[in-house]
Amino acid sequence: GEDVEQSLFLSVREGDSSVINCTYTDSSSTYLYWYKQEPGAGLQLLTYIFSNMDMKQDQRLTVLLNKKDKHLSLRIADTQTGDSAIYFCAEANSGGYQKVTFGTGTKLQVIP
Amino acid sequence: DVKVTQSSRYLVKRTGEKVFLECVQDMDHENMFWYRQDPGLGLRLIYFSYDVKMKEKGDIPEGYSVSREKKERFSLILESASTNQTSMYLCASSSIAGGAFTGELFFGEGSRLTVL
Repeated sequence: GEDVEQSLFLSVREGDSSVINCTYTDSSSTYLYWYKQEPGAGLQLLTYIFSNMDMKQDQRLTVLLNKKDKHLSLRIADTQTGDSAIYFCAEANSGGYQKVTFGTGTKLQVIP
Repeated sequence: DVKVTQSSRYLVKRTGEKVFLECVQDMDHENMFWYRQDPGLGLRLIYFSYDVKMKEKGDIPEGYSVSREKKERFSLILESASTNQTSMYLCASSSIAGGAFTGELFFGEGSRLTVL
C-alpha cells in the first residue's frame, strides 16, 4: 500500500528558514499536500502541488517536488513562532475513492 | 464559514462499552472520513463514505463500524471499546468539485477518547 514518511521533529530559530521533508512510495500519486495542525485543532490544508509540477511558491511557503526520487519538501521562509505546529505531508491519486494517505507528521518548534 | 463539527471533544469510557462518535458537516460534501491520530503514526484511515448509506473500509477498520444515514452526518461506532482504541479521532469531509477531486479535506477539531 501507499506509504508516506517524515521526520518527527524539527527545531529552528525565529527568522530562520524551515525545511520539512517527506518521501512517498506511490508512483501514481497525482496530488501532494501539506497540512498544518495547530495545538488542540484539526488539520488545515496549507498548500498542495500537482505531480506534473516541480515547484510551487505561495508567499513564505515553497513546495519542491522531485518526482523521480518521490521526495516532497516544504520550505517556510522567515519562520515565526506562530508557525509552531505539526506539519503533515499527504498524497492522493485521482483513481479509486479519493483516498488521502498521510505521513507521520513533523512537529516544528520555533525558538524565539 | 465552512464547518465540520464533532460532537464530543473529550470522552472517557470503560472497556467493553459501546461508543458513538458523531460528525456533522455543513458544506454539502459528498465524501466523509474517519481517521485516528496517534503520536509517531500520523493519521490512519478507519472508514470513509462517498455517499449516503455507502461505506468503505480504510486501513484499520477492525473494531469499528460506521453509519451514514444522512449526507451531512457520519458516525463512528466502537461496538466494544478496548484500551488500544484510546486515541484522537478526526472526522473530515471533502467535495467532488465539478466532478474533479481536489483532495482538500476539511477537518473537525477532533475527539480525544480514553478507554479505561
